[in-house]
Amino acid sequence: AQTVTQSQPEMSVQEAETVTLSCTYDTSENNYYLFWYKQPPSRQMILVIRQEAYKQQNATENRFSVNFQKAAKSFSLKISDSQLGDTAMYFCAFMKPYGGKLIFGQGTELSVKP
Amino acid sequence: DAGITQSPRHKVTETGTPVTLRCHQTENHRYMYWYRQDPGHGLRLIHYSYGVKDTDKGEVSDGYSVSRSKTEDFLLTLESATSSQTSVYFCAISESAGVGNTIYFGEGSWLTVV
Repeated sequence: AQTVTQSQPEMSVQEAETVTLSCTYDTSENNYYLFWYKQPPSRQMILVIRQEAYKQQNATENRFSVNFQKAAKSFSLKISDSQLGDTAMYFCAFMKPYGGKLIFGQGTELSVKP
Repeated sequence: DAGITQSPRHKVTETGTPVTLRCHQTENHRYMYWYRQDPGHGLRLIHYSYGVKDTDKGEVSDGYSVSRSKTEDFLLTLESATSSQTSVYFCAISESAGVGNTIYFGEGSWLTVV
């Protein structure tokens, strides 16, 4: 069975600085998808970024980028130029290509301080 | 935003009573999911549906049942609510379970069992 682990329950960063959130996963699959979701205090689940395992290039979405290390089964999220609106819970998630089901990590609560 | 409506959004109920949560979508997506969110666990899949009258269990399905009689509606029923089912419940939808699949979430339903 697949598992996803986020080892940092809480993190904080100063506004405008860069922060990296860690995620590791365990799977025997060779092809899969990885996601980062943001959950602000409103509890809305917002897709931040997605990575296909068969792509070596790291995904980037504006200030958000990932460091995908397939051999190490690591999928970290880097937030550059942190903004107050980035304050939220961040979840790492795994999906098999044809399973349609997400497996989530425990979450990392990020606070951006002015 | 994906057209997903959950109802009720907030409910307090007594132990032993039946409870039904409704998820309604306007996207005509084939796949629908129910997750629960608890502190320290992230989101965990309860049940999912891959078409009308086609449903299957997730990782935490005990004590829950689901039904899908129409494409747009997916119901989650707690036959006899217990305090351990106090949680935030999220409905999600996706067009497919294959390559390029993206899962969209509803706004959540807060259930308190007293």
